[in-house]
Amino acid sequence: DAKTTQPNSMESNEEEPVHLPCNHSTISGTDYIHWYRQLPSQGPEYVIHGLTSNVNNRMASLAIAEDRKSSTLILHRATLRDAAVYYCIPVQGAQKLVFGQGTRLTINP
Amino acid sequence: GAVVSQHPSRVICKSGTSVKIECRSLDFQATTMFWYRQFPKKSLMLMATSNEGSKATYEQGVEKDKFLINHASLTLSTLTVTSAHPEDSSFYICSATLAGAVREQYFGPGTRLTVT
Repeated sequence: DAKTTQPNSMESNEEEPVHLPCNHSTISGTDYIHWYRQLPSQGPEYVIHGLTSNVNNRMASLAIAEDRKSSTLILHRATLRDAAVYYCIPVQGAQKLVFGQGTRLTINP
Repeated sequence: GAVVSQHPSRVICKSGTSVKIECRSLDFQATTMFWYRQFPKKSLMLMATSNEGSKATYEQGVEKDKFLINHASLTLSTLTVTSAHPEDSSFYICSATLAGAVREQYFGPGTRLTVT
């Protein structure tokens, strides 16, 4: 399993963009980069995934470095409901998810 | 989006008893379901992977005779914690995935187990 490094915590203000970084320097060529988030006392929620190209969906954008050793999850306009722990997880095919410690995101009103 | 439910959401049981937790995919057929455990302020830890109609694959260090997993249909998987002890108290979360090469997992809301 590829190892990931994420900041333990980050803080941002409501309605501002948030950039959540993740280093995954040992990622293999066929690993997809998945992002999940977990709100307090809930199960995780899928956010986005990508392989090489940047990806956008209604929740967020994913920017993947050209060498694929890092990626950044972008929340374009944070709301209080985006406060959660965000996990970056390299995944091969339909294999299991291995959760690291993630980044605890705090949003200030 | 795909919805996964868990029942019960909370359960308190006495030490030595067994507890069954259900995980259902409500609007899709899940070829694979996963069971996780999460202790307070910790990350999720995968316990086992279960495929419909076959035996579950347990992660290293997880006792298969203590945590019985049954995946009898494409929409239901159950986790039974047998002879529960206080150290089994935790947040148990299931997830389900559709068939396919790259698929996101859909997580249930979790079951909080307290063993007294």
